[in-house]
Amino acid sequence: AQSVTQPDIHITVSEGASLELRCNYSYGATPYLFWYVQSPGQGLQLLLKYFSGDTLVQGIKGFEAEFKRSQSSFNLRKPSVHWSDAAEYFCAVGVYNTDKLIFGTGTRLQVFP
Amino acid sequence: GAVVSQHPSWVICKSGTSVKIECRSLDFQATTMFWYRQFPKQSLMLMATSNEGSKATYEQGVEKDKFLINHASLTLSTLTVTSAHPEDSSFYICSARSPTSGRAYEQYFGPGTRLTVT
Repeated sequence: AQSVTQPDIHITVSEGASLELRCNYSYGATPYLFWYVQSPGQGLQLLLKYFSGDTLVQGIKGFEAEFKRSQSSFNLRKPSVHWSDAAEYFCAVGVYNTDKLIFGTGTRLQVFP
Repeated sequence: GAVVSQHPSWVICKSGTSVKIECRSLDFQATTMFWYRQFPKQSLMLMATSNEGSKATYEQGVEKDKFLINHASLTLSTLTVTSAHPEDSSFYICSARSPTSGRAYEQYFGPGTRLTVT
């Protein structure tokens, strides 16, 4: 069965530092992968997605993610974090031949000035 | 574009009563909507898929008689928690299928509704 693992429950970084949030998936074929951000009082916002093609995907707000099939990973990165990036980040995978998404458990990002 | 709203954002109800949560797609028509439940510090768990004009499809383990879903129009889906109990307290999130994508994976999410049952 498909699954998504986000090993880091909570990450704290200083403003201006680089960021990498880890995501590992379990899936037999080429997955459809997503990163969402959830801020308090707001709905989940799509940061970026990977369906096929270039394995380095650019998203909104300066985020990027790289699909690595050999490592079954889709890690999210940002070169310089802003205080406004503090939020909950979810990795998700589309379930083949259905309309569904499976979400990871999320990583809470704290940013210190 | 592609905004999804939920109402109410926060509701408290007494044990044994029912509560209805609305999910609206504001600027597009959504043939498919999804309802999720999120426990504190946990992930989103899909409860059901709601298709306009037909019965909802519930995930395994979700009581369809407790969580009634109605998708009567292309812009509105409702989730009614019947005979609510404290264990139903949770954060309920809806999403709607992107109208521009051939894949339902691309979903737009509402801000969520916090339900507290006392």
